[in-house]
Amino acid sequence: GAGVSQSPSNKVTEKGKDVELRCDPISGHTALYWYRQRLGQGLEFLIYFQGNSAPDKSGLPSDRFSAERTGESVSTLTIQRTQQEDSAVYLCASSRQTSRSSYEQYFGPGTRLTVT
Amino acid sequence: GENVEQHPSTLSVQEGDSAVIKCTYSDSASNYFPWYKQELGKRPQLIIDIRSNVGEKKDQRIAVTLNKTAKHFSLHITETQPEDSAVYFCAANPLDSSYKLIFGSGTRLLVRP
Repeated sequence: GAGVSQSPSNKVTEKGKDVELRCDPISGHTALYWYRQRLGQGLEFLIYFQGNSAPDKSGLPSDRFSAERTGESVSTLTIQRTQQEDSAVYLCASSRQTSRSSYEQYFGPGTRLTVT
Repeated sequence: GENVEQHPSTLSVQEGDSAVIKCTYSDSASNYFPWYKQELGKRPQLIIDIRSNVGEKKDQRIAVTLNKTAKHFSLHITETQPEDSAVYFCAANPLDSSYKLIFGSGTRLLVRP
């Protein structure tokens, strides 16, 4: 079946502009995650959605970052007033969280954001 | 919160040799430890995972060991092949209300033919 998809695949924006990144999770996956991966570095947790529960926003680096998810479908990550240090690959993942036995996260291809 | 440290940052081995990557975690309540492989320009993919109720798990040439007392876990790859060359990430799931993963900084493995 279809995997996690993200759009756009690449985004170049000028410093100070706002950007929206989109994630389509695997159908039926109740959990959705956003991560940031700077060049040559690890995956930095940003935010996690689980069904209709309040999202875990503990990883968002500043109030310029926000994310929304409609039910158990599409999510958008918004970065306002972008800065050069926001340049990174933004990865989305989803998982079927029916119990603590269902952990595997399936990643999307990522959106490469470049702030000039 | 949980903190995961991973070593080494780079590892170069000869084809056929074994490779070992080690991670430590800080939250003793963490109960799930996956390993992801990320090939150049591709998305991370789960290769093996272990839960806190077992000490070792093996899948063909890949094995993971967990020492809960010492709060560390390791990835072992035997008979390495050039296609094993990639970046490997360990992660831990803190036992809170969230299923989020906290990742290590990654190990770049190069298998020399």
